[in-house]
Amino acid sequence: AQKVTQAQTEISVVEKEDVTLDCVYETRDTTYYLFWYKQPPSGELVFLIRRNSFDEQNEISGRYSWNFQKSTSSFNFTITASQVVDSAVYFCALRWDSNYQLIWGAGTKLIIKP
Amino acid sequence: NAGVMQNPRHLVRRRGQEARLRCSPMKGHSHVYWYRQLPEEGLKFMVYLQKENIIDESGMPKERFSAEFPKEGPSILRIQQVVRGDSAAYFCASSPRMGPGRGHTEAFFGQGTRLTVV
Repeated sequence: AQKVTQAQTEISVVEKEDVTLDCVYETRDTTYYLFWYKQPPSGELVFLIRRNSFDEQNEISGRYSWNFQKSTSSFNFTITASQVVDSAVYFCALRWDSNYQLIWGAGTKLIIKP
Repeated sequence: NAGVMQNPRHLVRRRGQEARLRCSPMKGHSHVYWYRQLPEEGLKFMVYLQKENIIDESGMPKERFSAEFPKEGPSILRIQQVVRGDSAAYFCASSPRMGPGRGHTEAFFGQGTRLTVV
């Protein structure tokens, strides 16, 4: 089965704290792609990152970093020094190479308090 | 190069009316995907179209929903005789090419149409 689980429904932290959003996936395919999207209160989907299954190198982009671990089927997302503008719903998604559909997690609502 | 354009952004329909949602893909993109996001949930795949062809409609409800992507003009998602349960955000994405195993590219998402059925 192809599945994405975001166990954290909602996380609330105070500004400047670090926060990690968890994503666990299931797939039988050896070639697949993992994504993170941000959905701010305005509702649009903002693409953050795509990672393919052959590249387990962690990635850092400014205050954002991603930890891909095939051994635990996880693709976690960390925001360091969080800011109020980071408040949004964050989605993890999976696509396997023999298909084109994105399989989405239920999302984690992140609230950053000033 | 404009992104994926969806309109309207917000649509209110009474029960029993028809809803038409439009999606203009990015320039040069000939593949369109529709997803539905129910309140408090992630997105669910509905349908995948190429110009003048429906490739995969496995995620579409069997009744009242249809989609098209004509040779000219935007892709249309049509919902007939809407019910309250159709209230959701509908997202369209486009990509320049597809093909299982042939190397996918990112799907670019529009801003969504929020349908409210009253």
